[in-house]
Amino acid sequence: DAGVIQSPRHEVTEMGQEVTLRCKPISGHDYLFWYRQTMMRGLELLIYFNNNVPIDDSGMPEDRFSAKMPNASFSTLKIQPSEPRDSAVYFCASSLGVVRGSGNTGELFFGEGSRLTVL
Amino acid sequence: KNEVEQSPQNLTAQEGEFITINCSYSVGISALHWLQQHPGGGIVSLFMLSSGKKKHGRLIATINIQEKHSSLHITASHPRDSAVYICAVRYPNEKLTFGTGTRLTIIP
Repeated sequence: DAGVIQSPRHEVTEMGQEVTLRCKPISGHDYLFWYRQTMMRGLELLIYFNNNVPIDDSGMPEDRFSAKMPNASFSTLKIQPSEPRDSAVYFCASSLGVVRGSGNTGELFFGEGSRLTVL
Repeated sequence: KNEVEQSPQNLTAQEGEFITINCSYSVGISALHWLQQHPGGGIVSLFMLSSGKKKHGRLIATINIQEKHSSLHITASHPRDSAVYICAVRYPNEKLTFGTGTRLTIIP
């Protein structure tokens, strides 16, 4: 498996533009997480899905942010309209949920991240 | 106050030294992750622990559930170990909360 794949790796855009970040999780993983990393706040969970269903979006900063997972192999994080304070590295990660006795390790696998700069 | 506290925030050591990074958390968890982030930015999962101790090469991770504390040790440290090490706690609902990270620099 190629691992978690994110695109684009880098995006530079102007304030007010729509930004769409994409993630392909590892095949078979049932959890998908979106994180944001900034110098000031470190890594923060934005939202996560279980079996394509959003479970907790309390980390999404405001209504300008939205995330979807239309199927088990694809998720998007959209920012509309974008603002300079949204500049950060956005990571997607996937894992198998830990089920006792199943042997699942629950190990997290991260994508390479998408570095967003909003001018 | 962050639910996950790491110490130290920065650590510089000579090659070969034994390194310890600590992580404390405040509420019950289902597991704890140690992550490594190199200057290039990629994040790699080193360990996931729910009890006891795990070892992988020169890396050892321990957790004490009663004391709500975990440590990451590196034996015979090497400059290539230089990275940010991040502790993350995993709750029963699979949600993760991250520590602020420890920036480790190993000098040749």
